[in-house]
This record gives sequence, C-alpha cells and structure tokens, in this order.
Amino acid sequence: DQQVKQNSPSLSVQEGRISILNCDYTNSMFDYFLWYKKYPAEGPTFLISISSIKDKNEDGRFTVFLNKSAKHLSLHIVPSQPGDSAVYFCAADGAATDSWGKLQFGAGTQVVVTP
Amino acid sequence: DAGVTQSPTHLIKTRGQQVTLRCSPKSGHDTVSWYQQALGQGPQFIFQYYEEEERQRGNFPDRFSGHQFPNYSSELNVNALLLGDSALYLCASSFRTGSEQYFGPGTRLTVT
Repeated sequence: DQQVKQNSPSLSVQEGRISILNCDYTNSMFDYFLWYKKYPAEGPTFLISISSIKDKNEDGRFTVFLNKSAKHLSLHIVPSQPGDSAVYFCAADGAATDSWGKLQFGAGTQVVVTP
Repeated sequence: DAGVTQSPTHLIKTRGQQVTLRCSPKSGHDTVSWYQQALGQGPQFIFQYYEEEERQRGNFPDRFSGHQFPNYSSELNVNALLLGDSALYLCASSFRTGSEQYFGPGTRLTVT
C-alpha cells in the first residue's frame, strides 16, 4: 500500500533553470512532510520539511509547497546547479497517534542537471 | 562531529544464514530507525528503537529483529535470509522519535 507517490521517475533540467519535483499522498492523517536528497553510495540527506499547518517553507534555493486539499506537495529548486543531480525522495510522517518517526517514502525522482 | 555510521559497508550471505548489521547514531541523538531500500524503490520502515525498546514496527516479519544499547547504538538482525532480503539497509538517527532523521551511508546486503 504505497501511501506516498512520486510519479516522475526522472527529471532533466538545464543549469540555472527551475526544477520542480512533485509528490502525492493518500493518507490525510500525515502531518509532516520532508524531502531528502540521495547521492550514489551515500545515505539520504535531509533537505527541507514542512508541517501541515503551513503551505510553504523556504530555505535558500529550496522551497516546498503543500496543498493539503489536493494531498500534493512539490519541491522547487531555483536555480538548479550541477551538484543538485541526485535522487530526491519525498517522505511523510504522523500517519497515526504515537507513530512519529515512521517515515513513509516515495519511490524517488532522479534529477539530472545539464550544463 | 561524526554523523551516523554503519558497518559493514557490504555483505554477502547465503540463503538461510543470519546477519547482523550495526549502527552508531549521530552525536546527541537517542533514537535509531532502520529502513530497507530495494533497488529502484524508496526506503521502507522496518522498526524504531528508543530507550532500548522497539517503539514502532513496519510490515516486516519476525525474522527481522533489533536491539539498542545503552550508548544508543543499534543492531539489526535478520534470520533465515531470503533472496528477497537483498537490499540496502539504512540506519537513521534522531533526537527522541522526531521526524527529521539523519541517515547513515547504509549496508549493502546481497543474499545468494
């Protein structure tokens, strides 16, 4: 039962342009959402998060938007840089009382930033 | 400040064998979670340890067990290995059972 979905397995973007990664979820109980970046042979690295009480959170080049009614969130990277080439995972938490920290991940989106 | 460390990096086992993977959390963290990542998929939650007890568990069989030590480090044990257990096993640590987890580099387990 995949409750977090990233429907685009890959994304190619030119350096300097905007990268937009999308994520959908099915469980309305999710209360907290996170984005992780993963390079080969490394563990996922935390990027940015957003609580369900907000609709936007910004950190430098990274902005996450949350649309609760649509059960959809997106990550915007502006401007995209070659070092951003990695797999990006969307994760959700808080599906039930006392279950914090049980992150549920999407399948990931491979981002390739071209010169 | 050392991040999350895991050992070993790679491991090859035969079907039916048992394996133990180890994890040391980031300094200041007291909670350890384990995830299994199959090829082409996102990490799947196995279980979480806090105060030396299993606090939460995902949809994994009892063949998967764990332990947390007083120094907050943790072990993941898998018995009666199946070919389908071949995956990257990730350890993540956090302060209390919070959402922002910091991951180690993982242990690549291959079952033949």
